Amino acid sequence: GDSVTQMEGPVTLSEEAFLTINCTYTATGYPSLFWYVQYPGEGLQLLLKATKADDKGSNKGFEATYRKETTSFHLEKGSVQVSDSAVYFCALLSGSARQLTFGSGTQLTVLP
Amino acid sequence: NAGVTQTPKFQVLKTGQSMTLQCAQDMNHEYMSWYRQDPGMGLRLIHYSVGAGITDQGEVPNGYNVSRSTTEDFPLRLLSAAPSQTSVYFCASSPPRQGSGRTEAFFGQGTRLTVV
Repeated sequence: GDSVTQMEGPVTLSEEAFLTINCTYTATGYPSLFWYVQYPGEGLQLLLKATKADDKGSNKGFEATYRKETTSFHLEKGSVQVSDSAVYFCALLSGSARQLTFGSGTQLTVLP
Repeated sequence: NAGVTQTPKFQVLKTGQSMTLQCAQDMNHEYMSWYRQDPGMGLRLIHYSVGAGITDQGEVPNGYNVSRSTTEDFPLRLLSAAPSQTSVYFCASSPPRQGSGRTEAFFGQGTRLTVV
């Protein structure tokens, strides 16, 4: 079945540091890939997505590239801010499925 | 725009009690789902619905019931609460799929449930 493996957290960075959160997946066919973000006390919000190989999703300074050859969708940001502190989830949607398969989430804390 | 609305935000139940978590969306989405979020386990699908009158089980359906009498509402019922059901519950909805595109899910703010 489908699965998503995320880099385990928690991750603690200083403001303006470079961020990478690794995500790899297993799925049949050609899934769409997503990064969701959950701020404290809130629901999940879509951060970015990519629907086919080599697509790059980007939003709010975050980027992730759909790499089919390595089955990866790593999240990166060049300079994190305190306001980026949240839990980040990698997810996929494959084939005819309508439900997302989530990774376990990575807690990011950015210190001033 | 309200989006996906969940009530209540917090709830404490005693073991054996029953309750209903409410979920409503105003986006005319056909697909709705319930997830539970537990530490280190991400989100796991409980039940989902592809339209009014149609529901199906997800990964962890035991102890939960759902119904979908309208497009807007998708309540989740706990029949006899157990401490293992202590979790944060999220409702989500998705618009119809368009062509080969894969659509995103819109989430409610969650219900934090504690069973003692």
